[in-house]
Amino acid sequence: DGGITQSPKYLFRKEGQNVTLSCEQNLNHDAMYWYRQDPGQGLRLIYYSQIVNDFQKGDIAEGYSVSREKKESFPLTVTSAQKNPTAFYLCASTLGGESNQPQHFGDGTRLSIL
Amino acid sequence: SQKIEQNSEALNIQEGKTATLTCNYTNYSPAYLQWYRQDPGRGPVFLLLIRENEKEKRKERLKVTFDTTLKQSLFHITASQPADSATYLCAPEDNYGQNFVFGPGTRLSVLP
Repeated sequence: DGGITQSPKYLFRKEGQNVTLSCEQNLNHDAMYWYRQDPGQGLRLIYYSQIVNDFQKGDIAEGYSVSREKKESFPLTVTSAQKNPTAFYLCASTLGGESNQPQHFGDGTRLSIL
Repeated sequence: SQKIEQNSEALNIQEGKTATLTCNYTNYSPAYLQWYRQDPGRGPVFLLLIRENEKEKRKERLKVTFDTTLKQSLFHITASQPADSATYLCAPEDNYGQNFVFGPGTRLSVLP
């Protein structure tokens, strides 16, 4: 079955540590996205990529970094500069980058601070 | 700046009734609007997309309306079932026409 796989499902970060969240898709989609979800708030866009080797900042990119070296992979690094990283992180993809296409989501990674 | 509001944080209805969820947006006019369902601990699942020139869209027991004058979309689930219990997110296109902006969601509980 085609879809998006996020790993790990749960992740714990120590103070001052960088952590990387994995997102892999086998849908052959061009565009990929990272969102952060906090209780009572909508999904907020962190970064997105419409093509390999290119990505753009979303609304809350500070303290995060991404890479897009392969079409199927879009890992997110939460750096130590992100002072409030505890949240549910969701990765999504669309066939193209147009806004009239549905997003396919993974099942998320829940990040907590130790 | 663009702002998305969904009518209430939680909505409880009796099985068999019609659930109506509201999504309001301000300060811009999106060309597209999507609705998603999210279960606890899972990623959202796409349900329906409606375009600004479509007044209504249906899919099985689901119906979405898009009123560009009121800047509002309504999401209806008819003959609701306990299995419909979930959080429903509306996501209008952003004001750059590039991505989507998600509302905070409405948690629907259908009581047997």
